[in-house]
Amino acid sequence: GQNIDQPTEMTATEGAIVQINCTYQTSGFNGLFWYQQHAGEAPTFLSYNVLDGLEEKGRFSSFLSRSKGYSYLLLKELQMKDSASYLCAVMDSNYQLIWGAGTKLIIKP
Amino acid sequence: KAGVTQTPRYLIKTRGQQVTLSCSPISGHRSVSWYQQTPGQGLQFLFEYFSETQRNKGNFPGRFSGRQFSNSRSEMNVSTLELGDSALYLCASRVADMKRKETQYFGPGTRLLVL
Repeated sequence: GQNIDQPTEMTATEGAIVQINCTYQTSGFNGLFWYQQHAGEAPTFLSYNVLDGLEEKGRFSSFLSRSKGYSYLLLKELQMKDSASYLCAVMDSNYQLIWGAGTKLIIKP
Repeated sequence: KAGVTQTPRYLIKTRGQQVTLSCSPISGHRSVSWYQQTPGQGLQFLFEYFSETQRNKGNFPGRFSGRQFSNSRSEMNVSTLELGDSALYLCASRVADMKRKETQYFGPGTRLLVL
């Protein structure tokens, strides 16, 4: 079967750095997405990785290792507005997105 | 470019009725996917349309159906509504650029309440 694993919940302090991990086992791989979702809102696109390595976009970076079936989202200089759920999704060989359950990130002052 | 738009934004129906939701993707995006999200739950994939053809389908009963038009706009229909169909229905449009880098954006969603 296809499986995406993320931690259910994480807590971090304002101004700090947090890394949210995502491991996957899917039928084929055509890229990995990260989304941010605030409560009651639609998910917001953060990143797409299809090649190994780190991609940086402002305070957010996303890393991919295809051989390990592993990705992480790195958030730097955390702000209170970063409190949200972070969703990892893998596009399989049929171009269907397989979604993780999401990681709820709580930022404390 | 305009984002993904969904209509209506809010809807109240009663059990047994049917409902049609609409989604207009970002211009140039040919892939449209539909998702159901209930409070505290993850995204549940309904189906994906690409160039008017259903490319992928999730594990939902036949009461849930969809279609895509030649202009890439998509509709989703739910017949014989049940209380458990109350949810946020999200539409997403996706495109790959010349370097095969994918981007997928969500619309604001339609909140459906079934009484």
